[in-house]
This record gives sequence, C-alpha cells and structure tokens, in this order.
Amino acid sequence: GAGVSQTPSNKVTEKGKYVELRCDPISGHTALYWYRQSLGQGPEFLIYFQGTGAADDSGLPNDRFFAVRPEGSVSTLKIQRTERGDSAVYLCASSLTGSRLTDTQYFGPGTRLTVL
Amino acid sequence: RKEVEQDPGPFNVPEGATVAFNCTYSNSASQSFFWYRQDCRKEPKLLMSVYSSGNEDGRFTAQLNRASQYISLLIRDSKLSDSATYLCVVNIGTGGFKTIFGAGTRLFVKA
Repeated sequence: GAGVSQTPSNKVTEKGKYVELRCDPISGHTALYWYRQSLGQGPEFLIYFQGTGAADDSGLPNDRFFAVRPEGSVSTLKIQRTERGDSAVYLCASSLTGSRLTDTQYFGPGTRLTVL
Repeated sequence: RKEVEQDPGPFNVPEGATVAFNCTYSNSASQSFFWYRQDCRKEPKLLMSVYSSGNEDGRFTAQLNRASQYISLLIRDSKLSDSATYLCVVNIGTGGFKTIFGAGTRLFVKA
C-alpha cells in the first residue's frame, strides 16, 4: 500500500519567506510526527499529532514554526520568516495509534529545505 | 549531555565480520527502544525493536540493559548491503510520548 508521502521533495526559498511543507500519512494512521534532520545528525522531534490535535509541540524551535492537521489526516508544517538555520530535511512519520509504546513509525522521504 | 548518545563511527569492517554498536540514554523515563537504519539521503526505516529479554532477527541481535541505560545492536556476517547509518531511538514517557533519536553510527562494509 501507499506509504507516507511528502511534498515538495525539495524547496529552495529566500531568507524571510514563508514556506509550507505537506505530509500525507499512511491511511488509517492516527498519529503523525514531524522531525527535522540536519546533516550528520539524527532526526530531531518537532511535533506530534494524535488525530487533529497537537499532543506534543515541545520540539518546535520557536513561534515561527507551526503545524496543523485539520482533518486528522494530511498535515502541513508552516515556517514563517525563514532563516538560513532552518535549512534541513523535514521528515514526517505516521504510526497506527501513537499511544502504544511499540508503535512503529513509518517515515516519508522528507522535504529538503534550503534557505538562501 | 545528549539524551541519546551513539559513537558516530565510522565503523569500517570487511564482509563477514561481526560488528557491535552501543547506545546510551540518560532519561530513566525511557520506555521503549528501537534501532532504525538510514541509507544515504533516504528516510529512516525500522530495523528492530529492542526488548529487555533481547531479541534476534536473522543476523541482527538487539539487547537492552535498563540498569546501565544502554542498548546494543550486533550484526553478524556483515554484508555490503548493511552499509548505512544506524540510529538508536528512545521513546520517553507513556501514552503520548516523545521520540528521541541518536545522531547515528555509520557503518561501511567493504568487500
């Protein structure tokens, strides 16, 4: 079946611009996660949704970052006034319930964001 | 101190070798543990979960030591295709939990 998809695969923007990154999780998965991965580092947790609500947004670095999941499926990560330090690969993952400790997270291919 | 620490490597081993990676975690509220594999410029994929009793999947064996707060991954009979970055992953909390990834250990298996 279809896995997690993310669009765009690459995004180049200028400092100060606004960007939106989209994630389409596996159908039926209630939990959705956003991570950011910089070169040579592991994925860094940003936010976790259980259904439509953000269950944990403690990883968002500042108020320029915001994410929504209005219908409990597709999610959009929004970054305002982008900075060069925001350049990274943004990964989305989904899991069946998110409430079980052994839930497997399935990752999408990521969006490579470059801020010039 | 990072919540999850791994030796970044790289580990360079010949085909057929046995190689072991360790990972330490600092939060005693850590509840579940995994190893993920990530190929260059690809997304992470689950390799195996790690249980207190230890678990094995073919050539891969994972162990958890809660007292010392570390997990390990052993790869036997290394294949060229095992070359990748291995990420240690810890879930902290219960119910809605937070997932923390280590920075990864790079493995190169050479012919």
